[in-house]
Amino acid sequence: AQKVTQAQTEISVVEKEDVTLDCVYETRDTTYYLFWYKQPPSGELVFLIRRNSFDEQNEISGRYSWNFQKSTSSFNFTITASQVVDSAVYFCALSAGGGYNKLIFGAGTRLAVHP
Amino acid sequence: GAVVSQHPSWVICKSGTSVKIECRSLDFQATTMFWYRQFPKKSLMLMATSNEGSKATYEQGVEKDKFLINHASLTLSTLTVTSAHPEDSSFYICSARDRRLAGVYNEQFFGPGTRLTVL
Repeated sequence: AQKVTQAQTEISVVEKEDVTLDCVYETRDTTYYLFWYKQPPSGELVFLIRRNSFDEQNEISGRYSWNFQKSTSSFNFTITASQVVDSAVYFCALSAGGGYNKLIFGAGTRLAVHP
Repeated sequence: GAVVSQHPSWVICKSGTSVKIECRSLDFQATTMFWYRQFPKKSLMLMATSNEGSKATYEQGVEKDKFLINHASLTLSTLTVTSAHPEDSSFYICSARDRRLAGVYNEQFFGPGTRLTVL
């Protein structure tokens, strides 16, 4: 079975604080992809990152960074120096297995950044 | 590139009517499209996988007679909610896979969503 767990339902921080969003996944497949999406109040999903199971390198993009650890089946997302515009719901997702490679989404973490 | 549109962006209808939602890939061909449903403050739940020229594959618990999916071309898939009721009110999101990337990246490009309200 494939599953994505985002244990943090809501996080509230003050602007300029660093915040880490946790994501734990389960799959028996050796080849899989992990994603992070941002969903602002408008509802449209914004793609943030894709990582395949063979690439464990951490990635940094501006204020965003991702820590992929296969040993703990985690793919955590850190926002450095958070800003009010970062307020949104963030989803971690997994794509694995054959067929049409559907995406399994976590429950999402609602991030509120206050001025 | 990789733009997916949905029409309409929102719709309000009376109970018992049918509503059609269109999902179009604007600058690429999509052999596979996906339909998701999202209730307020909830996650996206896959409803069905749609492949061009064949019948859609529905997820367990999704009524295929209620949610009719047609993928008539490589750039268009439609979701028709038949005899809609208030409990069908939700945010419906489609996504599409670029056929050129199939098997290379499992990335889906998402549409902006359609908010359905059934009175």
